[in-house]
Amino acid sequence: AQKVTQAQTEISVVEKEDVTLDCVYETRDTTYYLFWYKQPPSGELVFLIRRNSFDEQNEISGRYSWNFQKSTSSFNFTITASQVVDSAVYFCALRGSGGGADGLTFGKGTHLIIQP
Amino acid sequence: EPEVTQTPSHQVTQMGQEVILRCVPISNHLYFYWYRQILGQKVEFLVSFYNNEISEKSEIFDDQFSVERPDGSNFTLKIRSTKLEDSAMYFCASPAGGRRYEQYFGPGTRLTVT
Repeated sequence: AQKVTQAQTEISVVEKEDVTLDCVYETRDTTYYLFWYKQPPSGELVFLIRRNSFDEQNEISGRYSWNFQKSTSSFNFTITASQVVDSAVYFCALRGSGGGADGLTFGKGTHLIIQP
Repeated sequence: EPEVTQTPSHQVTQMGQEVILRCVPISNHLYFYWYRQILGQKVEFLVSFYNNEISEKSEIFDDQFSVERPDGSNFTLKIRSTKLEDSAMYFCASPAGGRRYEQYFGPGTRLTVT
């Protein structure tokens, strides 16, 4: 069975601070895919990133960066110089190596509050 | 981001009634997914649909639920005899183009069962 754990239920920081959201996963698949989604107060789920299990290179996109460590089964997400617009619930998700039809297993999400 | 559309945005129904939620996935893609999110909780996988057949379903997706692709573009989730605990946001999702391992979500339908 697959499992995604986001231990931080809620994080509150002041604008411009850096913040890291933790994600730990469990899977028996040797090939798998990890994702982060953002859910702003409006409720939609916005795709942020996909990482393949065979690609451990970290990624940076503007103020966002992701640290994938297979040895610790973690896929953490860092926002640098946070802004109020970053306030949202962030979900980490995992997909196994089925032929494209596997559903995503989500964590419970981390509610990020950026205070002005 | 590729667009997936869902209708209606909000549906209110009485317990025991049937509801049909609709999704128009990203065009020309064979994979579709339905998820639900009970208010304040995590997103849960319901079912995946490939080439007009159910490919995978979770334990949540029992006989009360069914999915169809009634025409070339629409994709429906039917809930028979709704229960109070079916109140949730229902999302459909679809990959886009060659990025088959990325799922893009529609805006969701909020279902309220009274």
